[in-house]
This record gives sequence, structure tokens and C-alpha cells, in this order.
Amino acid sequence: DFVMTQSPDSLAVSLGERATINCKSSQSVLYSSNNKNYLGWFQQKPGQPPKLLIYWASTRESGVPDRFSGSGSGTDFTLTISSLQAEDVAVYYCQQYYSTPPTFGQGTKLEIK
Amino acid sequence: EVQLLESGGGLVQPGGSLRLSCAASGFTFSSYTMSWVRQAPGKGLEWVSGISGSGGNTYYADSVKGRFTVSRDNSKNTVYLQMNSLRAEDTAVYYCAKDISATKPYYSDYWGQGTLVTVSS
Repeated sequence: DFVMTQSPDSLAVSLGERATINCKSSQSVLYSSNNKNYLGWFQQKPGQPPKLLIYWASTRESGVPDRFSGSGSGTDFTLTISSLQAEDVAVYYCQQYYSTPPTFGQGTKLEIK
Repeated sequence: EVQLLESGGGLVQPGGSLRLSCAASGFTFSSYTMSWVRQAPGKGLEWVSGISGSGGNTYYADSVKGRFTVSRDNSKNTVYLQMNSLRAEDTAVYYCAKDISATKPYYSDYWGQGTLVTVSS
């Protein structure tokens, strides 16, 4: 199975500042035939189900604020929140879907400093 | 509006069985793979099982293979997870999720609120 490793495990950022979360896959999730990275990002707030933020590594889901962006290719990916808002406090997960079973990173807890 | 409503969770003894259901609405159910994803208390997300839109293909995590069975009834817009030989480590909130693909698990764009399964004597 693909192992997804996120860093850091937790992060405290001041309101209005940039937050960066990294995700590394044990194998490449770039499918050469269509040049797509099979990587998504989810946000989970306490007591709620996960919410899809980003798919194909950098495509923002409809309704997701543009302060959220995804980047990277192959094995290394980043989720960036350009200007942290109070409502962004959550746990963030990356997930690969290149291979079955889909696998998630361990999660990164984002808090306000 | 897409809605996914899980039911069937509860307390069960080790070695016991439970069947989860997920009633879906707001989309063409038979056109999408459905997945079950679980989250142990205070832990991360673990994909458990998936079933293609037609029901012809099923997928399982190694941790549940041989013990869990996923199925769907497209006439009732419902997906099921039959869980047998339950263990303490199966204790988790189980989420039903709609996938973006018709044929295999990719990523899920809609999730239910989850149902709690507790395995304990």
C-alpha cells in the first residue's frame, strides 16, 4: 500500500499568516498517461465529517475559498492556506487515490497561535 | 442536494456482527462508487471498503478483508457494510462517502455524518 506521511503533525499559525502542510507519498502518484497527480486534501473540523478541499493535487473543490491552494507532483505535495482565518482551525489530511486501497496521511492539526 | 445517512451502529461484543446502512439521495446513485471510511476515536482516517456503481466490483482494506462485506441495492439507493468477527480495533465512527468515480475508489466528494461502532465486552 502507498504510505502517506504528513508534516508537521501539528502547526500553530497567527491569524492572517500563511500555513503550509506537507505530504509525501512512498511512491509516485503521478499517472504518466494523463499527467495527473492522484492526490487530494481534506479538512476535518471537530465532530464533523471530512470535507474535500483539493483534488488532482491542485484543483480547488467548488465553494472552497481561494486562500486554499495545493501544489506538488510525484511524491511531494503541499497544502497552503495563504491567510489563516479562525474558521480554518481543523485537522487536514492528504489522500492518494492512484492505487487501491486509497490511503490517507496521519493528519496535521492546525491551530491559531 | 446530496445527502448520505448512515445507520446501524451501536455496541457489539467482540466476535459479533453488525450491518451498517447508508441511504443516499440527491444524485444518480448507480453511477457512483460508494466507500466506507472509518475513524477510530482520536485517530486519523482509514478507508475500509468500496463498491462500484453497478455493484460488480468490491474493494477492501487488508484489515477487514474476509470479515467485512460491502453491497448495494441501487433500487433503494442504499449501500451496506456487513461486519462480522468484530474486534476491539474495529471501534470507530464509520462514514459513508460518495466517490467521484463509477468504477473504483478515488476520492470522495460527499460524506455522511457517520455512525459509531463500539466493539466491547
